[in-house]
Amino acid sequence: QSVLTQPPSASGTPGQRVTISCSGSSSNIGSNTVNWYQQLPGTAPKLLIYSNNQRPSGVPDRFSGSKSGTSASLAISGLQSEDEADYYCAAWDDSLNGPKFGGGTKLTVL
Amino acid sequence: EVQLVQSGAEVKKPGESLRISCKGSGYSFTSYWISWVRQMPGKGLEWMGRIDPSDSYTNYSPSFQGHVTISADKSISTAYLQWSSLKASDTAMYYCARRTGTGDAFDIWGQGTMVTVSS
Repeated sequence: QSVLTQPPSASGTPGQRVTISCSGSSSNIGSNTVNWYQQLPGTAPKLLIYSNNQRPSGVPDRFSGSKSGTSASLAISGLQSEDEADYYCAAWDDSLNGPKFGGGTKLTVL
Repeated sequence: EVQLVQSGAEVKKPGESLRISCKGSGYSFTSYWISWVRQMPGKGLEWMGRIDPSDSYTNYSPSFQGHVTISADKSISTAYLQWSSLKASDTAMYYCARRTGTGDAFDIWGQGTMVTVSS
């Protein structure tokens, strides 16, 4: 099972703001930075947020990340239909000596 | 353009061996670790292990240690994931991904290689 816990699903209507949570422990989120990935249907994952709250070039500022203690969250404002995808959090895990992914959250735009 | 291009889909029988590849281009291949990530049908992402292409140092997730081998040939900017004896449970999409120097994130992903193991 995933060490990082995410809700399996989330939903919102166009224009709304949605948040996706990611809960971990002291060996991962508590001591390392969090990254978020977006996986559109049938495609490879894409880096959305790195180092807790940084956006790679080309990622709209509608996407933002935050971290507090052993939890993190991804916020999407001004929800659009093309945001419908699976979202994964990830953080280095000191026990694993490698990254751990959350179980993923399927975002539906109603 | 910085990219990772993976080899094509494979269909194998249980017990067969397999090696899939991931070729980097547009950047210095030896400057970034390459990881392999498994995604079983309808499931989430699982980190399998990684390799430093500059010296072929590897480390594996305990879940995959001993069942797969990760290697690289820096002369042709290519990383590999191989199995000596496939199982039906190895049926999955496999992605290679480049680790960025910032925050242990994977900034570049291959397009994925679908491996189907069936008798």
